Amino acid sequence: DAGITQSPRHKVTETGTPVTLRCHQTENHRYMYWYRQDPGHGLRLIHYSYGVKDTDKGEVSDGYSVSRSKTEDFLLTLESATSSQTSVYFCAISESDGGQPQHFGDGTRLSIL
Amino acid sequence: EDQVTQSPEALRLQEGESSSLNCSYTVSGLRGLFWYRQDPGKGPEFLFTLYSAGEEKEKERLKATLTKKESFLHITAPKPEDSATYLCAVFSGGYQKVTFGTGTKLQVIP
Repeated sequence: DAGITQSPRHKVTETGTPVTLRCHQTENHRYMYWYRQDPGHGLRLIHYSYGVKDTDKGEVSDGYSVSRSKTEDFLLTLESATSSQTSVYFCAISESDGGQPQHFGDGTRLSIL
Repeated sequence: EDQVTQSPEALRLQEGESSSLNCSYTVSGLRGLFWYRQDPGKGPEFLFTLYSAGEEKEKERLKATLTKKESFLHITAPKPEDSATYLCAVFSGGYQKVTFGTGTKLQVIP
């Protein structure tokens, strides 16, 4: 068990509201990722982190920001949620020095009305 | 642009009926190919990493193989508990560049 906890697991909110999703790991892995999963698309990388305060953009980063103030926590924020951001969001970690997301959380199902 | 195509989209097998799932890819500089299993309502579970053509990995009833253009996930004598969506992903050069396929949904019927 890689010890990845995502919260909340489900959220329904309205367009234009800010939303923050949290990912917590119990082990001190350096690399953490945020992905979204949508029907007809493979998992797509939003942002990733390679250490405290070290983050970078993925392929679908527009409209999202992240923060990592502690090794164990990686936050994803939607500053002003839009309906196109309705999705299932997964956090992942890499046990190796980046590259491959090896362990995933169980996801946050986010609906934006 | 890296591309990953998985086929078939869905596969229904009788228990004990062996078959293969396909993952074809187009990448510039493959650094690794990954297979995951995903159950409904759960995150993907890592199965295998393959690094070079000709490599094979096995785990219980699953065997993954890799060529220069595609990977196969062979399932031997599947059981109902093997029912899941199987995801393939490729890792190419550059920053954390991992491209996922859309998966094959496998159903094994008792």
